[in-house]
Amino acid sequence: GAVVSQHPSRVICKSGTSVKIECRSLDFQATTMFWYRQFPKQSLMLMATSNEGSKATYEQGVEKDKFLINHASLTLSTLTVTSAHPEDSSFYICSAREAPRSETQYFGPGTRLLVL
Amino acid sequence: GNSVTQMEGPVTLSEEAFLTINCTYTATGYPSLFWYVQYPGEGLQLLLKATKADDKGSNKGFEATYRKETTSFHLEKGSVQVSDSAVYFCALIAGGTSYGKLTFGQGTILTVHP
Repeated sequence: GAVVSQHPSRVICKSGTSVKIECRSLDFQATTMFWYRQFPKQSLMLMATSNEGSKATYEQGVEKDKFLINHASLTLSTLTVTSAHPEDSSFYICSAREAPRSETQYFGPGTRLLVL
Repeated sequence: GNSVTQMEGPVTLSEEAFLTINCTYTATGYPSLFWYVQYPGEGLQLLLKATKADDKGSNKGFEATYRKETTSFHLEKGSVQVSDSAVYFCALIAGGTSYGKLTFGQGTILTVHP
């Protein structure tokens, strides 16, 4: 099946620094990638949708200047948490969709971010 | 707006027990419904789906039927195994401007003991 990887799997950083998380589709080209955030014992909340070569679409309440998303190629999307603070600590998950009208998303294993 | 409500966990069962995880939804139009499973240390995987009323999705012994009249999509398995221990998420994709976006329930942790 289709495989999506994320790197790093875990990251610890100091408050005020920026952290970049990569999401890659390994064996298919992803026209669309999604970024989610998951708090402990809670559901996945969609943060933004990114289409290759265009600006990401952010969900209501998500700060676009805080969470920078780049989808420069059909196999790579990055999420940069800028000037991270402890409240940004969370589990970030990406998913990728191969075809524009497909309802199937393939998920990465997630990245645990801890901001001290 | 669109929302999914799942039965709260955690759920603990003995091997070969019957499993039901309840899921109800609120959505505009006629959504597609999904169950995803997340095994420890892995990403979410699609377990099964149904795209219209009365459809039954099935996979690996799990089943769920799209019930429009009760807006439900309950997950069932007749005989669980230890390897079924995981977190299960009910989700939907609604139509209109929400097309393609998954809305998830809060997840249900299932632990199966030998």
